[in-house]
Amino acid sequence: AQKVTQAQTEISVVEKEDVTLDCVYETRDTTYYLFWYKQPPSGELVFLIRRNSFDEQNEISGRYSWNFQKSTSSFNFTITASQVVDSAVYFCALSEARNAGNMLTFGGGTRLMVKP
Amino acid sequence: KAGVTQTPRYLIKTRGQQVTLSCSPISGHRSVSWYQQTPGQGLQFLFEYFSETQRNKGNFPGRFSGRQFSNSRSEMNVSTLELGDSALYLCASSFGQITYEQYFGPGTRLTVT
Repeated sequence: AQKVTQAQTEISVVEKEDVTLDCVYETRDTTYYLFWYKQPPSGELVFLIRRNSFDEQNEISGRYSWNFQKSTSSFNFTITASQVVDSAVYFCALSEARNAGNMLTFGGGTRLMVKP
Repeated sequence: KAGVTQTPRYLIKTRGQQVTLSCSPISGHRSVSWYQQTPGQGLQFLFEYFSETQRNKGNFPGRFSGRQFSNSRSEMNVSTLELGDSALYLCASSFGQITYEQYFGPGTRLTVT
């Protein structure tokens, strides 16, 4: 069965520090997709990125970057020069193609607190 | 383009009652999924609908049900409410059929007393 583990339940950093959020996944499917979502205090999940299992290229979007490594089943998320507005709960999620749908399996989330 | 909307935003019910939550997806999106979020269990998948058909169902009792209408709007119903049903219920819509990114609504906060 699919599983996503986010071992860091809470991380606290000072503004401008870099921070990496870890995500480890388990799946028996060969075709799958990985996602990151941000949940600010307002509660609404905000989509950040979607990557498929065949694309291991790292991705950078502004201060955000993602490192996908199939060899270690990890999809880590790094925020460079963190800001107070980055404070939120971040979720990593997995979707398997064999489910023939959009069902997401979420990790437990990592609460990031960025202090000024 | 308007985002996913959910109504009501907050709801207080008594044990044994039933409740219906509504979700309007982003225009053009035909897939709607429902998730339950609690502090103890985290985010758990309830079910997904695509073109009025349920495609996947999570591991929840039969008290949880849903449906999708021809305009892609979706409702979920919980009958015989229990205290443990208190949660944030999130609806998400997606354009594609399989493994597309999903866009979430603000959620309905259900409190069962």
